Amino acid sequence: KNEVEQSPQNLTAQEGEFITINCSYSVGISALHWLQQHPGGGIVSLFMLSSGKKKHGRLIATINIQEKHSSLHITASHPRDSAVYICAVRLGGGADGLTFGKGTHLIIQP
Amino acid sequence: DTGVSQDPRHKITKRGQNVTFRCDPISEHNRLYWYRQTLGQGPEFLTYFQNEAQLEKSRLLSDRFSAERPKGSFSTLEIQRTEQGDSAMYLCASSFPGLATGELFFGEGSRLTVL
Repeated sequence: KNEVEQSPQNLTAQEGEFITINCSYSVGISALHWLQQHPGGGIVSLFMLSSGKKKHGRLIATINIQEKHSSLHITASHPRDSAVYICAVRLGGGADGLTFGKGTHLIIQP
Repeated sequence: DTGVSQDPRHKITKRGQNVTFRCDPISEHNRLYWYRQTLGQGPEFLTYFQNEAQLEKSRLLSDRFSAERPKGSFSTLEIQRTEQGDSAMYLCASSFPGLATGELFFGEGSRLTVL
């Protein structure tokens, strides 16, 4: 069983819709990352969270440490938001390599 | 461009050959990571350097894999006696330590195809 589970695996929505992508993890962590990957492989770091909430433009990321859960929200979605969104955690205990979820493939249709 | 750069971007090789990938991190970043990503999956951690010291190695990094960062700047990942299962995208990322500034910066990746 993967230590990081994302849902949904695939999501198709209409332009303008509010998007939520969920990430649950089963181990203690020191930080959680949300990443965006476009076709061709390039990965961009969106957020790094250890508590609370962060906002950047139309993107909002939240984390609940007690419930071991994080969400990524996209407001006023646009076709250019179409990408794979990946949740990754940095485990506690000094380990530094990230453990990744399988990603959520998001398609925003015009 | 001052981002993370990887070379080559694509490599096609025959089974049994050796391949080497290079990663040049952002210059002031002292942490460098290698990840592997197969089709439809999230990346998997391979190894991590702080300066020239290799501090963590995944169980995925078999004896055929070796990574170096001799001067604490660029890094190389070598795969010896390649197998078809090694076909994947090899991603490099760099960061600067500290929880507040630990954002990762990824390269575009090196795609390996083993025939």
